Amino acid sequence: DADVTQTPRNRITKTGKRIMLECSQTKGHDRMYWYRQDPGLGLRLIYYSFDVKDINKGEISDGYSVSRQAQAKFSLSLESAIPNQTALYFCATSDSPGQGLNQPQHFGDGTRLSIL
Amino acid sequence: DQQVKQNSPSLSVQEGRISILNCDYTNSMFDYFLWYKKYPAEGPTFLISISSIKDKNEDGRFTVFLNKSAKHLSLHIVPSQPGDSAVYFCAASARGGAQKLVFGQGTRLTINP
Repeated sequence: DADVTQTPRNRITKTGKRIMLECSQTKGHDRMYWYRQDPGLGLRLIYYSFDVKDINKGEISDGYSVSRQAQAKFSLSLESAIPNQTALYFCATSDSPGQGLNQPQHFGDGTRLSIL
Repeated sequence: DQQVKQNSPSLSVQEGRISILNCDYTNSMFDYFLWYKKYPAEGPTFLISISSIKDKNEDGRFTVFLNKSAKHLSLHIVPSQPGDSAVYFCAASARGGAQKLVFGQGTRLTINP
C-alpha cells in the first residue's frame, strides 16, 4: 500500500461546484503539504500544515482552503471551482527537521482535476 | 519570479553514458536542495539531496554537485539506464524550518538504447 494516498485520482467537474481532494498518510509524519502542478511551471505550494492545529498559506492559496482533521489526514477544498484551477494536485508529507537538518518530502500519486 | 530554474526542458542521452541535469537558483537563503524523479501518472519520488554545507553528495549512480558562488546545482547519473527516463525536478528550501519547497520547471530525460 502507498504511504501517501490521494483520492480521487481523477475528477471532472463543472465551474462553480465545491470539490474536496483527500490525502491520507501512513508514514507518521507531522508535516503535510498541498501542491499543484501546471505544464511548464513545476509544482507550486498551496497550503501546508505542521500539526492538527496548524494551517499555513503557501504561494498560491487564493480560491483554496484546507482542513487537517488528524495527523494522518489533510484535505484540500475548492469552494467554487473555476477553469483555471484545472491542474494536477499533489499531497506530500515530511518529518520534522532532525537536529536542524531538513527532511525530504514524500508525495502521493496526484489527483488530476479538470474543471469545465 | 522563478527562483529555481531548469533551463533545459528536455535532454536525450545514450544508454551507458553520463546524464547531466542542471538547475540554477536566485535566492541566497536556500540552504537545502533536492532532486525528484517523476514518471507519468505517479507522484515525484525523492532521489537525492544536498545541504549547503556540502558541495557534493553521492548515492550509487547519482551524484549532486552544488556550486554556491554560482547558485548552481547539477545531477549526474552514470551510467544512464533506460529506467532513468523520466522528468526530473530540482527543488530548494530556505532556512527557517518551514521546509517550503520551491520547484524548477522540470527536465524530461530520455535514455536511448
